[in-house]
Amino acid sequence: SAVISQKPSRDICQRGTSLTIQCQVDSQVTMMFWYRQQPGQSLTLIATANQGSEATYESGFVIDKFPISRPNLTFSTLTVSNMSPEDSSIYLCSVEYRESEAFFGQGTRLTVV
Amino acid sequence: AQTVTQSQPEMSVQEAETVTLSCTYDTSESDYYLFWYKQPPSRQMILVIRQEAYKQQNATENRFSVNFQKAAKSFSLKISDSQLGDAAMYFCAYRRFKAAGNKLTFGGGTRVLVKP
Repeated sequence: SAVISQKPSRDICQRGTSLTIQCQVDSQVTMMFWYRQQPGQSLTLIATANQGSEATYESGFVIDKFPISRPNLTFSTLTVSNMSPEDSSIYLCSVEYRESEAFFGQGTRLTVV
Repeated sequence: AQTVTQSQPEMSVQEAETVTLSCTYDTSESDYYLFWYKQPPSRQMILVIRQEAYKQQNATENRFSVNFQKAAKSFSLKISDSQLGDAAMYFCAYRRFKAAGNKLTFGGGTRVLVKP
């Protein structure tokens, strides 16, 4: 299995500021995924990050709001920019390890005030 | 587009009893994967069980088993001998087959409460 370390585990931020979430994996993986889980809701994919190329965003998510970096095969960051209270959610990174198996980080609980 | 539906927002079960969670999905694909994930209050998503659509045999992992009905596009999870540690949100998820980098599509989730 893959071990994923996600930081920070939680944060309270002022509206209008930005937060960068880090995701570190203990093995090299091709694809990394960023999900958002709004309060009481299911997980929705924000974007897929492939090393060496720009992230692919799902409908409703844009790079200016959620810029993603993927500098190598074990690390990725997601930035939530110009935050508003509506961005208060849990953000989770995930990796595909072996075909079809997905592993998740512990999640980042973001509260925007 | 694939969709996953969990019709039970919450289920309650007595400790040591059995509970079954429902999941239906819609897809035009013939080969795919289905999963059940558990999310306790710690927020960590934990894979409970997975099923390959081409396999007729229902997957089993200890106290967890599924009833996979491909024609009906149904994928229920049975938790036997429920334990207090089983209390969590459970998400059903779908993924296309042999498509590297393909996303998981999740259902809305079912909260399981375990009564001592």
